[in-house]
Amino acid sequence: NAGVTQTPKFQVLKTGQSMTLQCAQDMNHEYMSWYRQDPGMGLRLIHYSVGAGITDQGEVPNGYNVSRSTTEDFPLRLLSAAPSQTSVYFCASSRDRVRNTEAFFGQGTRLTVV
Amino acid sequence: GENVEQHPSTLSVQEGDSAVIKCTYSDSASNYFPWYKQELGKRPQLIIDIRSNVGEKKDQRIAVTLNKTAKHFSLHITETQPEDSAVYFCAARGPGTYKYIFGTGTRLKVLA
Repeated sequence: NAGVTQTPKFQVLKTGQSMTLQCAQDMNHEYMSWYRQDPGMGLRLIHYSVGAGITDQGEVPNGYNVSRSTTEDFPLRLLSAAPSQTSVYFCASSRDRVRNTEAFFGQGTRLTVV
Repeated sequence: GENVEQHPSTLSVQEGDSAVIKCTYSDSASNYFPWYKQELGKRPQLIIDIRSNVGEKKDQRIAVTLNKTAKHFSLHITETQPEDSAVYFCAARGPGTYKYIFGTGTRLKVLA
């Protein structure tokens, strides 16, 4: 059981470049989300999805797009990278909203924008 | 909007001593409060959680207490060991919602 798998683990981008961070889970979880982690700021929610075909914005959505075409996958796209997007990104999933269950995190992607 | 405040931001204790981390949440409807431990370079992992119908929960050396009236919950680690050194995050989640609101984290250092 792989859980939540994120790729890549490390990435360096030049300002203005685009890229997609991949996230996949094999637990048939309804809820998937993307967080960014910056020093002293905890985990801030970027976008989330409550099921295939449904996405919504979190607290820091600007500069990021998401889609959820399948239950398993929830990619995060940076359309035009900026130095302010240098951060560690975590994907997380949890089973559903009715029963409070833990969020499972991917191993993270350390992104540097130069 | 919803907010979770976490204190302290850093905490150093001697091995064997106890450590306490405190969180306060703003949404009185929140009913699920997990605690995550993140070791250096690793992903956050759940260590203990508590639901709003319970005031205290223990799991070996860790415990969590919840005061719904004060909208306050705390993590207690007893007999700390060097492997407890990590960043700890509290979070709150409301009924029927998907969003976890995280605190800003506490870096715990256990000094041998």
